Amino acid sequence: QQQVKQSPQSLIVQKGGISIINCAYENTAFDYFPWYQQFPGKGPALLIAIRPDVSEKKEGRFTISFNKSAKQFSLHIMDSQPGDSATYFCAASIANSGYALNFGKGTSLLVTP
Amino acid sequence: EAQVTQNPRYLITVTGKKLTVTCSQNMNHEYMSWYRQDPGLGLRQIYYSMNVEVTDKGDVPEGYKVSRKEKRNFPLILESPSPNQTSLYFCASSFFGQGANSPLHFGNGTRLTVT
Repeated sequence: QQQVKQSPQSLIVQKGGISIINCAYENTAFDYFPWYQQFPGKGPALLIAIRPDVSEKKEGRFTISFNKSAKQFSLHIMDSQPGDSATYFCAASIANSGYALNFGKGTSLLVTP
Repeated sequence: EAQVTQNPRYLITVTGKKLTVTCSQNMNHEYMSWYRQDPGLGLRQIYYSMNVEVTDKGDVPEGYKVSRKEKRNFPLILESPSPNQTSLYFCASSFFGQGANSPLHFGNGTRLTVT
């Protein structure tokens, strides 16, 4: 059973635009929500993460928005660049529990020049 | 350089021929894990290990074996590969679990084709 649902599956954005990827989860025990970025030929790498005690976290052009009541969180990429073209995975887990990260199915982002 | 190293990067084999994909990390991480990545299915965990000699099944363990005899190494073994195990495999490690202070570090993947 998919514990984290991610949409859209693919996304095309023009350079300079805003890319938005959404995720939803069911398990209210989850308290750690990371996003991973994967370039072709590489393994995923941690991009940004949030804990549910805050509603937003920003790092440069990347922002996570978190809605605890709706059990949803999203990644916003401002001023999207061709170098942002990658696959993005959201995930959720119970922090420091040793339990596995539950990954979404991924979003393939293409930023066109 | 801190890294997770997988070998080989590419592997083509035939059904039933036993193979091992190696994984080594140089970060003294306690936790290691194997994932497979398939189009439309994302990353699915195969097996994980919380420490030496401690391993447990993930979501899709059938047809795979692992061992953790040393902290740094976590090989993935396919005793009798089948075509449905054709996939992109990733090894990952972290200090402990996947908490806020313990992000997962992934290797660069092993693309396996079973004919």
